[in-house]
Amino acid sequence: GAVVSQHPSRVICKSGTSVKIECRSLDFQATTMFWYRQFPKQSLMLMATSNEGSKATYEQGVEKDKFLINHASLTLSTLTVTSAHPEDSSFYICSASKAGRGEGETQYFGPGTRLLVL
Amino acid sequence: GESVGLHLPTLSVQEGDNSIINCAYSNSASDYFIWYKQESGKGPQFIIDIRSNMDKRQGQRVTVLLNKTVKHLSLQIAATQPGDSAVYFCVVGGYQKVTFGTGTKLQVIP
Repeated sequence: GAVVSQHPSRVICKSGTSVKIECRSLDFQATTMFWYRQFPKQSLMLMATSNEGSKATYEQGVEKDKFLINHASLTLSTLTVTSAHPEDSSFYICSASKAGRGEGETQYFGPGTRLLVL
Repeated sequence: GESVGLHLPTLSVQEGDNSIINCAYSNSASDYFIWYKQESGKGPQFIIDIRSNMDKRQGQRVTVLLNKTVKHLSLQIAATQPGDSAVYFCVVGGYQKVTFGTGTKLQVIP
Protein backbone atom coordinates (compact mmCIF):
# COMPACT_ATOMS: atom_id res chain seq x y z
CA GLY A 1 0.00 0.00 0.00
CA ALA A 2 0.87 3.66 -0.03
CA VAL A 3 -1.16 5.50 2.55
CA VAL A 4 -0.39 9.03 3.62
CA SER A 5 -2.17 10.70 6.50
CA GLN A 6 -2.39 14.30 7.60
CA HIS A 7 -3.29 15.78 10.94
CA PRO A 8 -5.31 17.78 11.63
CA SER A 9 -7.80 17.56 8.81
CA ARG A 10 -9.22 20.96 9.66
CA VAL A 11 -7.98 23.77 11.85
CA ILE A 12 -9.27 27.21 12.72
CA CYS A 13 -6.93 29.62 14.41
CA LYS A 14 -6.63 33.27 15.32
CA SER A 15 -4.46 35.62 13.33
CA GLY A 16 -0.93 35.74 14.69
CA THR A 17 -0.81 32.21 15.99
CA SER A 18 1.23 29.33 14.58
CA VAL A 19 -0.22 26.12 13.26
CA LYS A 20 1.55 22.80 12.78
CA ILE A 21 0.40 20.23 10.24
CA GLU A 22 1.73 16.69 10.29
CA CYS A 23 2.19 14.42 7.30
CA ARG A 24 2.87 10.73 7.78
CA SER A 25 3.51 7.87 5.40
CA LEU A 26 1.82 4.98 7.18
CA ASP A 27 3.01 1.90 5.35
CA PHE A 28 6.14 2.90 3.51
CA GLN A 29 9.28 4.89 3.95
CA ALA A 30 9.29 8.18 2.13
CA THR A 31 12.59 9.55 1.01
CA THR A 32 10.93 12.74 -0.06
CA MET A 33 7.85 14.58 1.04
CA PHE A 34 6.21 17.48 -0.70
CA TRP A 35 3.97 20.25 0.55
CA TYR A 36 1.35 21.83 -1.67
CA ARG A 37 -1.14 24.59 -1.29
CA GLN A 38 -4.44 24.67 -3.11
CA PHE A 39 -6.89 27.53 -3.40
CA PRO A 40 -10.55 26.87 -4.25
CA LYS A 41 -11.07 25.63 -7.79
CA GLN A 42 -7.38 25.87 -8.55
CA SER A 43 -4.60 23.42 -9.09
CA LEU A 44 -2.03 22.35 -6.54
CA MET A 45 0.93 24.66 -6.10
CA LEU A 46 4.13 23.12 -4.88
CA MET A 47 5.48 24.97 -1.86
CA ALA A 48 8.50 22.94 -0.90
CA THR A 49 10.25 19.61 -1.17
CA SER A 50 11.78 18.00 1.87
CA ASN A 51 14.17 15.12 2.27
CA GLU A 52 14.66 13.35 5.55
CA GLY A 53 17.45 14.87 7.58
CA SER A 54 18.12 17.83 5.32
CA LYS A 55 16.75 21.29 4.78
CA ALA A 56 13.70 21.73 2.65
CA THR A 57 13.89 23.22 -0.82
CA TYR A 58 11.36 25.97 -1.24
CA GLU A 59 9.75 27.07 -4.47
CA GLN A 60 10.18 30.60 -5.65
CA GLY A 61 7.95 33.00 -3.79
CA VAL A 62 7.42 30.77 -0.76
CA GLU A 63 8.78 32.27 2.45
CA LYS A 64 10.82 29.68 4.30
CA ASP A 65 10.59 31.61 7.56
CA LYS A 66 6.84 31.69 7.22
CA PHE A 67 6.37 28.04 6.32
CA LEU A 68 8.73 25.97 8.42
CA ILE A 69 9.25 22.41 7.30
CA ASN A 70 10.81 19.69 9.38
CA HIS A 71 11.37 16.23 7.97
CA ALA A 72 12.35 14.37 11.10
CA SER A 73 12.12 10.81 9.86
CA LEU A 74 11.34 8.72 6.80
CA THR A 75 7.69 8.68 7.78
CA LEU A 76 7.04 12.14 9.17
CA SER A 77 7.20 15.68 7.87
CA THR A 78 5.68 18.73 9.50
CA LEU A 79 4.68 22.10 8.12
CA THR A 80 4.36 24.98 10.55
CA VAL A 81 2.61 28.11 9.41
CA THR A 82 4.08 30.79 11.63
CA SER A 83 2.20 33.94 12.62
CA ALA A 84 -0.71 32.94 10.45
CA HIS A 85 -2.81 35.57 8.75
CA PRO A 86 -6.15 35.32 6.94
CA GLU A 87 -4.40 35.18 3.56
CA ASP A 88 -2.74 31.94 4.71
CA SER A 89 -6.15 30.29 4.79
CA SER A 90 -6.01 27.48 2.27
CA PHE A 91 -6.04 23.75 1.71
CA TYR A 92 -2.60 22.30 2.46
CA ILE A 93 -1.77 18.93 1.00
CA CYS A 94 1.30 16.81 1.52
CA SER A 95 2.58 13.95 -0.58
CA ALA A 96 5.27 11.35 -0.21
CA SER A 97 7.29 9.33 -2.64
CA LYS A 98 8.78 5.93 -1.94
CA ALA A 99 12.44 5.25 -1.57
CA GLY A 100 14.52 4.40 -4.58
CA ARG A 101 14.60 5.56 -8.16
CA GLY A 102 11.98 3.93 -10.28
CA GLU A 103 9.49 4.27 -7.51
CA GLY A 104 10.31 7.81 -6.59
CA GLU A 105 8.32 9.54 -9.24
CA THR A 106 4.86 8.63 -8.03
CA GLN A 107 3.64 10.82 -5.25
CA TYR A 108 1.02 9.55 -2.85
CA PHE A 109 -1.08 12.29 -1.39
CA GLY A 110 -2.50 12.90 2.02
CA PRO A 111 -6.15 13.88 2.53
CA GLY A 112 -5.29 17.54 3.03
CA THR A 113 -5.64 20.02 5.88
CA ARG A 114 -8.09 22.88 5.68
CA LEU A 115 -6.68 25.94 7.45
CA LEU A 116 -8.87 28.90 8.29
CA VAL A 117 -7.27 31.91 9.91
CA LEU A 118 -9.64 34.37 11.50
CA GLY B 1 9.53 26.51 -18.59
CA GLU B 2 7.10 23.65 -18.33
CA SER B 3 3.49 24.35 -19.04
CA VAL B 4 0.74 21.87 -18.67
CA GLY B 5 -2.77 22.65 -19.76
CA LEU B 6 -6.03 21.00 -20.46
CA HIS B 7 -8.28 21.30 -23.49
CA LEU B 8 -11.56 21.12 -21.54
CA PRO B 9 -11.97 22.66 -18.10
CA THR B 10 -15.37 20.98 -17.53
CA LEU B 11 -16.70 17.77 -19.01
CA SER B 12 -20.26 16.54 -18.58
CA VAL B 13 -20.88 12.90 -19.38
CA GLN B 14 -23.96 10.71 -19.19
CA GLU B 15 -23.66 7.84 -16.75
CA GLY B 16 -22.58 4.73 -18.60
CA ASP B 17 -20.87 6.60 -21.41
CA ASN B 18 -17.14 6.78 -21.89
CA SER B 19 -15.21 9.87 -20.81
CA ILE B 20 -12.10 11.29 -22.42
CA ILE B 21 -10.04 13.90 -20.63
CA ASN B 22 -7.22 15.53 -22.54
CA CYS B 23 -3.97 17.16 -21.52
CA ALA B 24 -1.24 18.95 -23.44
CA TYR B 25 2.29 19.45 -22.22
CA SER B 26 5.15 21.49 -23.54
CA ASN B 27 8.38 19.87 -22.39
CA SER B 28 9.34 17.19 -24.87
CA ALA B 29 11.91 15.86 -22.38
CA SER B 30 9.18 14.81 -19.94
CA ASP B 31 9.39 11.10 -19.34
CA TYR B 32 6.75 10.30 -16.76
CA PHE B 33 3.06 11.11 -16.73
CA ILE B 34 0.45 10.55 -14.07
CA TRP B 35 -3.27 11.05 -13.81
CA TYR B 36 -4.73 11.95 -10.44
CA LYS B 37 -8.33 12.23 -9.35
CA GLN B 38 -9.35 14.74 -6.71
CA GLU B 39 -12.74 14.65 -5.09
CA SER B 40 -14.06 17.73 -3.36
CA GLY B 41 -12.26 18.42 -0.09
CA LYS B 42 -9.84 15.54 -0.46
CA GLY B 43 -6.27 15.02 -1.56
CA PRO B 44 -5.43 13.77 -5.07
CA GLN B 45 -5.69 10.05 -5.63
CA PHE B 46 -3.36 8.21 -8.00
CA ILE B 47 -5.20 6.68 -10.95
CA ILE B 48 -2.68 5.55 -13.53
CA ASP B 49 0.74 6.42 -14.85
CA ILE B 50 2.69 5.95 -18.04
CA ARG B 51 6.29 6.34 -19.05
CA SER B 52 7.53 7.90 -22.24
CA ASN B 53 8.60 4.56 -23.69
CA MET B 54 4.95 3.53 -23.89
CA ASP B 55 2.00 4.98 -25.78
CA LYS B 56 -0.82 3.19 -24.04
CA ARG B 57 -1.51 1.71 -20.66
CA GLN B 58 -4.69 0.20 -19.29
CA GLY B 59 -6.02 -0.11 -15.80
CA GLN B 60 -9.38 -0.99 -14.39
CA ARG B 61 -11.88 0.96 -16.53
CA VAL B 62 -9.18 3.51 -17.34
CA THR B 63 -6.77 3.86 -20.24
CA VAL B 64 -4.05 6.43 -20.66
CA LEU B 65 -2.80 7.30 -24.12
CA LEU B 66 0.40 9.17 -24.75
CA ASN B 67 1.25 10.86 -28.04
CA LYS B 68 4.75 12.19 -27.74
CA THR B 69 4.76 13.58 -31.24
CA VAL B 70 2.15 16.19 -30.41
CA LYS B 71 2.85 16.18 -26.67
CA HIS B 72 -0.64 15.09 -25.78
CA LEU B 73 -1.96 12.84 -23.05
CA SER B 74 -5.46 11.54 -22.53
CA LEU B 75 -7.36 9.63 -19.90
CA GLN B 76 -10.23 7.45 -20.99
CA ILE B 77 -12.77 6.23 -18.46
CA ALA B 78 -15.05 3.44 -19.60
CA ALA B 79 -18.67 3.21 -18.47
CA THR B 80 -18.48 6.39 -16.42
CA GLN B 81 -20.11 6.15 -13.00
CA PRO B 82 -21.35 8.83 -10.58
CA GLY B 83 -18.37 8.05 -8.37
CA ASP B 84 -16.09 9.21 -11.15
CA SER B 85 -17.26 12.79 -10.66
CA ALA B 86 -14.17 14.72 -9.60
CA VAL B 87 -11.41 16.97 -10.86
CA TYR B 88 -8.77 15.14 -12.86
CA PHE B 89 -5.21 16.37 -13.06
CA CYS B 90 -2.57 15.31 -15.49
CA VAL B 91 0.86 15.53 -13.93
CA VAL B 92 4.02 15.68 -15.93
CA GLY B 93 7.39 15.04 -14.44
CA GLY B 94 10.71 13.47 -14.26
CA TYR B 95 12.28 12.13 -11.13
CA GLN B 96 10.31 13.56 -8.22
CA LYS B 97 9.70 16.98 -9.74
CA VAL B 98 6.20 17.20 -11.11
CA THR B 99 3.98 19.89 -12.55
CA PHE B 100 0.25 19.88 -12.04
CA GLY B 101 -2.05 20.87 -14.86
CA THR B 102 -5.05 23.11 -14.38
CA GLY B 103 -7.48 20.25 -13.88
CA THR B 104 -10.64 19.09 -15.63
CA LYS B 105 -13.87 18.76 -13.74
CA LEU B 106 -15.81 15.67 -14.73
CA GLN B 107 -19.54 15.82 -14.08
CA VAL B 108 -21.46 12.60 -14.43
CA ILE B 109 -25.12 13.03 -15.29
CA PRO B 110 -27.28 10.26 -13.79
